[in-house]
Amino acid sequence: AQSVTQLGSHVSVSEGALVLLRCNYSSSVPPYLFWYVQYPNQGLQLLLKYTTGATLVKGINGFEAEFKKSETSFHLTKPSAHMSDAAEYFCAVSGGSQGNLIFGKGTKLSVKP
Amino acid sequence: GAVVSQHPSWVICKSGTSVKIECRSLDFQATTMFWYRQFPKQSLMLMATSNEGSKATYEQGVEKDKFLINHASLTLSTLTVTSAHPEDSSFYICSANRVRGDTQYFGPGTRLTVL
Repeated sequence: AQSVTQLGSHVSVSEGALVLLRCNYSSSVPPYLFWYVQYPNQGLQLLLKYTTGATLVKGINGFEAEFKKSETSFHLTKPSAHMSDAAEYFCAVSGGSQGNLIFGKGTKLSVKP
Repeated sequence: GAVVSQHPSWVICKSGTSVKIECRSLDFQATTMFWYRQFPKQSLMLMATSNEGSKATYEQGVEKDKFLINHASLTLSTLTVTSAHPEDSSFYICSANRVRGDTQYFGPGTRLTVL
């Protein structure tokens, strides 16, 4: 069985500050890991994904995440927050033979001016 | 590439009626399509997985006779909410992938409100 835990349902940062959104996973097989962003009343947009290979993954909009197997973590970071980064962020792990996604509960990011 | 559309984007219906939501992969053939439901301020919950030409696989607790899924082609899947009730009001999101286990690309979602 696979699961995802996102620590902190709400994170607030100042514009220009570091963004750190935490994600820990549980998986009995080598995981595929994803970060998605959701703006209000919209679907999900893929930020980045880890499948195999390099453990530091760079995504869109300046985000990156590092896969740490020893810590079972896949935290999302961005060096400098922008107002447009305010949204809901979901971490997900791919499980099942058909690649079903198991989502964390999400973290709402607020950016203060 | 990898664009998924949904129609309608929002729908309001009376209790007891049926509503059909379409999910299309616009620029790729989707091996698998997924249907999710999202309640306000909550995460996405997988309802069912469908492969073209075969019956959908429903998650535990999801009534297959209430949420009818048809995956008639490699670019189209439909979700029909039959005899809708207010508790079915939710945000329904579909996704599709090109290859099993590959990245899922999400549609923009459909907001269903049942009066």
